[in-house]
Amino acid sequence: QKEVEQDPGPLSVPEGAIVSLNCTYSNSAFQYFMWYRQYSRKGPELLMYTYSSGNKEDGRFTAQVDKSSKYISLFIRDSQPSDSATYLCAMSLPKTSYDKVIFGPGTSLSVIP
Amino acid sequence: DTAVSQTPKYLVTQMGNDKSIKCEQNLGHDTMYWYKQDSKKFLKIMFSYNNKELIINETVPNRFSPKSPDKAHLNLHINSLELGDSAVYFCASSHLWATGELFFGEGSRLTVL
Repeated sequence: QKEVEQDPGPLSVPEGAIVSLNCTYSNSAFQYFMWYRQYSRKGPELLMYTYSSGNKEDGRFTAQVDKSSKYISLFIRDSQPSDSATYLCAMSLPKTSYDKVIFGPGTSLSVIP
Repeated sequence: DTAVSQTPKYLVTQMGNDKSIKCEQNLGHDTMYWYKQDSKKFLKIMFSYNNKELIINETVPNRFSPKSPDKAHLNLHINSLELGDSAVYFCASSHLWATGELFFGEGSRLTVL
């Protein structure tokens, strides 16, 4: 079993739709959870960051973490064509470890106008 | 001002050649990384340096040799290039103990013919 699993897509939705992106992980020691967005031919950029179970909202984006189920989600409301990108979930260990971030394989999202 | 910059952006070379990629960050971070992203977009850590000291060294062929002359610079030298080395190589930086908040460069796309 891979440490982090993510449906690779591609996912295609109409503009204005609600998008749900998901990841599962196997290592219960992970404590920090991130979502990165990567546009074509660009480097990943940090979108959302959380370290506790529950929801974190930032504008149209909501990150959800369920540590008991080892499951994280990213919701995008009112999706826009500019949201078309690959979304990578990522996670890392507690601060006592060096910052080895493990990435999921990414989900490719297209938002159609 | 580019925060994490890599050069060159594109390399096309023959099998067996040696090539180098350079990275510089002006964010004042003390930790830098090399990540490899394959054709399926899977992003995998290769090396990490903290203040010129190697702290993460994943299972990478010893044809790959990182070097950090100071905490703002990290280079990657690859000897005897093979077809399987074709990928996008990303440099990233963070504060130590930043637990997942990575800042990526735009990537160096290596094609080995």
